[in-house]
Amino acid sequence: DGGITQSPKYLFRKEGQNVTLSCEQNLNHDAMYWYRQDPGQGLRLIYYSQIVNDFQKGDIAEGYSVSREKKESFPLTVTSAQKNPTAFYLCASSASEKGNQPQHFGDGTRLSIL
Amino acid sequence: RKEVEQDPGPFNVPEGATVAFNCTYSNSASQSFFWYRQDCRKEPKLLMSVYSSGNEDGRFTAQLNRASQYISLLIRDSKLSDSATYLCVVNRKPGAGSYQLTFGKGTKLSVIP
Repeated sequence: DGGITQSPKYLFRKEGQNVTLSCEQNLNHDAMYWYRQDPGQGLRLIYYSQIVNDFQKGDIAEGYSVSREKKESFPLTVTSAQKNPTAFYLCASSASEKGNQPQHFGDGTRLSIL
Repeated sequence: RKEVEQDPGPFNVPEGATVAFNCTYSNSASQSFFWYRQDCRKEPKLLMSVYSSGNEDGRFTAQLNRASQYISLLIRDSKLSDSATYLCVVNRKPGAGSYQLTFGKGTKLSVIP
């Protein structure tokens, strides 16, 4: 079954800790994205990658880092510099990096602070 | 003007009703438009793309008005299962970067028995 897999579904972070959210896709899509969604808010773009070994900052990149070593994988690290990390994190992929194709989402990771 | 603006609702409608959502966007250079639905505490799922000539998919009809920069979604014969938040999505080009999708905050629909 083709799709996007995010793990874990729920994650708890202690103060000062870095945590990494996993995102894997087997759709052979070039472009991958990370969004954050807060209650009652729209999706905000954190980072995106159009091709392996390349990525760009989105609108709210501070306190986050990513890597794109493989086409299928785009992990997101929430660093201790992100002071308000509690949110619903969504990974997406798209067949085209040109922004003219829809994005398909994984089922998300809910991150909370302990 | 916000990049993508939607009436947050909620829209509470009886089963079988017809309901319409509108969305306005600020960037006249936007080229691609979509409607997504998002169920409570779930990921957004693509409902339909929006084409210049308008398009229909079963009970759902999407329209685009480029001159006025708005998009609409019409749902006919509402079902209980249509209850969700509907997200208007528009692409944009932030400066020198590539096109990105901008998501509206969504319009919440509750279909009542």
